[in-house]
Amino acid sequence: AQSVTQLGSHVSVSEGALVLLRCNYSSSVPPYLFWYVQYPNQGLQLLLKYTSAATLVKGINGFEAEFKKSETSFHLTKPSAHMSDAAEYFCAVTLYGNNRLAFGKGNQVVVIP
Amino acid sequence: DVKVTQSSRYLVKRTGEKVFLECVQDMDHENMFWYRQDPGLGLRLIYFSYDVKMKEKGDIPEGYSVSREKKERFSLILESASTNQTSMYLCASSLGTSYNEQFFGPGTRLTVL
Repeated sequence: AQSVTQLGSHVSVSEGALVLLRCNYSSSVPPYLFWYVQYPNQGLQLLLKYTSAATLVKGINGFEAEFKKSETSFHLTKPSAHMSDAAEYFCAVTLYGNNRLAFGKGNQVVVIP
Repeated sequence: DVKVTQSSRYLVKRTGEKVFLECVQDMDHENMFWYRQDPGLGLRLIYFSYDVKMKEKGDIPEGYSVSREKKERFSLILESASTNQTSMYLCASSLGTSYNEQFFGPGTRLTVL
């Protein structure tokens, strides 16, 4: 079964610094990969997704992620953190023909002024 | 604007009560999902449905049941609520292919006393 690993439940980043959230997946076949964001007291919102087209995927709010098959990774980055980026971020994976998503445990991002 | 709505944002129930959580989507999606979200555990799938009257167990179905009588509506039922079911419950929907993202409702925070 597919699974996702996100290390570091809490991530602190200074305003203006690089945001890097790591996601590694396990899958025996090419996956579809997603990053979601959850702002306080809200549901999840899609940031970006990889569906086997370009390996570098650009999403909303200046975020992007790169699919690296050799490293089974899909890390999320943003060059310069804003205070509004404070939220919880989830990586998720699904497989062709399987509509279920497997989620990582999430990263709570705190932005320090 | 796509929308998934959940019947309550906050709910307080007593141990042993029967609890209904309702979810409605207006996107004509085939798939609907119920998750629970707990700190440090990410999102865990309770049940999902890929068609009217169809359901499949997720990772943690014990203590829950579901109903999907109409395409747009998916109900989660706690037959006899227990304190360990205190959690945030999230509903989601998606189109029928695995590369499509899931759209989430705002969540219901359920407290069982």
